[in-house]
Amino acid sequence: DTEVTQTPKHLVMGMTNKKSLKCEQHMGHRAMYWYKQKAKKPPELMFVYSYEKLSINESVPSRFSPECPNSSLLNLHLHALQPEDSALYLCASSQVGGFRVPSGYTFGSGTRLTVV
Amino acid sequence: DQQVKQNSPSLSVQEGRISILNCDYTNSMFDYFLWYKKYPAEGPTFLISISSIKDKNEDGRFTVFLNKSAKHLSLHIVPSQPGDSAVYFCAASAWSGGYNKLIFGAGTRLAVHP
Repeated sequence: DTEVTQTPKHLVMGMTNKKSLKCEQHMGHRAMYWYKQKAKKPPELMFVYSYEKLSINESVPSRFSPECPNSSLLNLHLHALQPEDSALYLCASSQVGGFRVPSGYTFGSGTRLTVV
Repeated sequence: DQQVKQNSPSLSVQEGRISILNCDYTNSMFDYFLWYKKYPAEGPTFLISISSIKDKNEDGRFTVFLNKSAKHLSLHIVPSQPGDSAVYFCAASAWSGGYNKLIFGAGTRLAVHP
C-alpha cells in the first residue's frame, strides 16, 4: 500500500460546528504532516508528527487541533472555524531517519473544506 | 516572505517540444530541492529531486538543473506529452527539528497541447 487516504474529500461546516479530518497511511512512515493550501498559493505546513508525537506546530490557531492516535492515523479536529479557514487540507507522510532521504513526502488527495 | 518562488503561473507547450519550468529560492540553507506534480482533485506526487551538491539530475524525460550561485533551479520535460498537463510545484527542503521541512513555491500550471 503506497497511498495516503484522506476523508472526507469535501466538507462544508458552519462556524459553530465541530468536525474532524482523517488521514491514514500503511507505508510504515513515522512522520506525518498537515498542510493547508489556499487557491493559487503554495501548500503551507501546519503540523508535523514524528513517532506519534507533535514535533512542529507552525503557530497554528488553537481552533485547529491535531491528533495522532497511532502510527497509521492522523486527525485534525476543527472547532469554531472562520470562513477564511476554507482551503484544501493536505495530509502527507514520510520516513523519519537519521539520514536525509529526500524521496519526498507521499501526499493524500486532500479535504476541500468550506466554512460558511 | 516567499522563500521559494515560481514566477510563471502558467506555461503552454506543444506536444513533443521541451517544457522548462523555473524556480528561484532565497535561503542558502536549503539542501534538497524537489518537484511535485499535481492533477486536479489529487494530492501532489513526487517527481524528481536534486541535492544541493549536484547540478543535474535526470530521470527519463525529466531533468532538474540546479544553479546554486544564482539560487535557481529548473525542470526540463522532453518530449512533453499531453499527460504532463498539471500543476508543478517546486519545493525546497531544510533539515529542521529532526525532519525534512518542505517549503513550496506557488506552482506553475503546464498545459501541453497537440
